[in-house]
Amino acid sequence: DSGVTQTPKHLITATGQRVTLRCSPRSGDLSVYWYQQSLDQGLQFLIQYYNGEERAKGNILERFSAQQFPDLHSELNLSSLELGDSALYFCASSHSRDQPYEQYFGPGTRLTVT
Amino acid sequence: AQTVTQSQPEMSVQEAETVTLSCTYDTSENNYYLFWYKQPPSRQMILVIRQEAYKQQNATENRFSVNFQKAAKSFSLKISDSQLGDTAMYFCAFTFSGNTPLVFGKGTRLSVIA
Repeated sequence: DSGVTQTPKHLITATGQRVTLRCSPRSGDLSVYWYQQSLDQGLQFLIQYYNGEERAKGNILERFSAQQFPDLHSELNLSSLELGDSALYFCASSHSRDQPYEQYFGPGTRLTVT
Repeated sequence: AQTVTQSQPEMSVQEAETVTLSCTYDTSENNYYLFWYKQPPSRQMILVIRQEAYKQQNATENRFSVNFQKAAKSFSLKISDSQLGDTAMYFCAFTFSGNTPLVFGKGTRLSVIA
């Protein structure tokens, strides 16, 4: 168990809809990262938050947004969903001081858009 | 931009044998960190081993070891005494500093055969 939690585990929704994925980092971790893994592909970085502030952006679509709350949990919002958004979405966290380069991953949320 | 290349999409190995997975990367940075992650059928991302670029000694974690060749920008993973539970996708990943996103290779699917 990495200590990172993600909810829900599975999500099935229709095209055009909006969903919210939630992530709780390990206790004390200030950084939260979101990654997308499409079928049989590697992980693509979407966005990073550090202590409530956006830190880095990757290949994140304009239809996607995220935020990190004062208690450090993060939410990834996906809107106007398309079939191609079906993927496994991972959240990872790392600590600012103790091995900041090491990221621990949650179990992922599997999104299916029909 | 940093890139990570895994040239072996699939590999197989007999139980108890040794297998080596290849990874090359491209970066102009001098200080960076390299990782191997394992993704079993459960899809959980599990950190297997890490290597700091400033360390000349190759990292070892039980049956897992790396061959880090900084000049060649090569970072291979050796699994000794392969076990059925080693069957998984293996991803090589790179980051150039703490609290920055990981860049992943496309992965190598390893099958351990009884």
